[in-house]
Amino acid sequence: GAVVSQHPSWVICKSGTSVKIECRSLDFQATTMFWYRQFPKQSLMLMATSNEGSKATYEQGVEKDKFLINHASLTLSTLTVTSAHPEDSSFYICSAMRAASSYEQYFGPGTRLTVT
Amino acid sequence: DAKTTQPNSMESNEEEPVHLPCNHSTISGTDYIHWYRQLPSQGPEYVIHGLTSNVNNRMASLAIAEDRKSSTLILHRATLRDAAVYYCILRDDNAGNMLTFGGGTRLMVKP
Repeated sequence: GAVVSQHPSWVICKSGTSVKIECRSLDFQATTMFWYRQFPKQSLMLMATSNEGSKATYEQGVEKDKFLINHASLTLSTLTVTSAHPEDSSFYICSAMRAASSYEQYFGPGTRLTVT
Repeated sequence: DAKTTQPNSMESNEEEPVHLPCNHSTISGTDYIHWYRQLPSQGPEYVIHGLTSNVNNRMASLAIAEDRKSSTLILHRATLRDAAVYYCILRDDNAGNMLTFGGGTRLMVKP
């Protein structure tokens, strides 16, 4: 099966600082990666779609200047939460697809962000 | 996006079959029915998907109603490791590969 990793698995940061979360496809090349956010007891909410070499497409209501996404290679996408605030505390999950024609998204294990 | 409706929670006994229902009365002809599940504190994982015909794989079976307005995920023998939130998702083949997660069904498996 295809493996997607995320780093770090959890992070605690102070309010006002920035945090970078990495998402890697370990054994396949991912043409598209997605970033989701999940608050406790809630479902996943899509934040943005990231295609290698191009700008990410953000969902309505997601601030692109606050959540910076970089998909620099076919195996790595990063999400940077800038000037984090306590309300940004959440479970951030990425997923990756092998190719545009594929149907299955492979999800990472998630990164739990706590902003104090 | 076409929406899905699932029960909030279900209980099952270990080693018994589980039928997880999903209603999608506004499904369109290009919508695929996908099922993912999310174990506690983990990312979701793909379970199965289908368009019109019933589907089987090593994890589960997917039974799709003839009018496609509902579907049922079947776990043939539930184990404790199957306790998770199961999401029924419609993916429009004409709109890319985005998945819109609804509330899902929390499956509890009793020993």
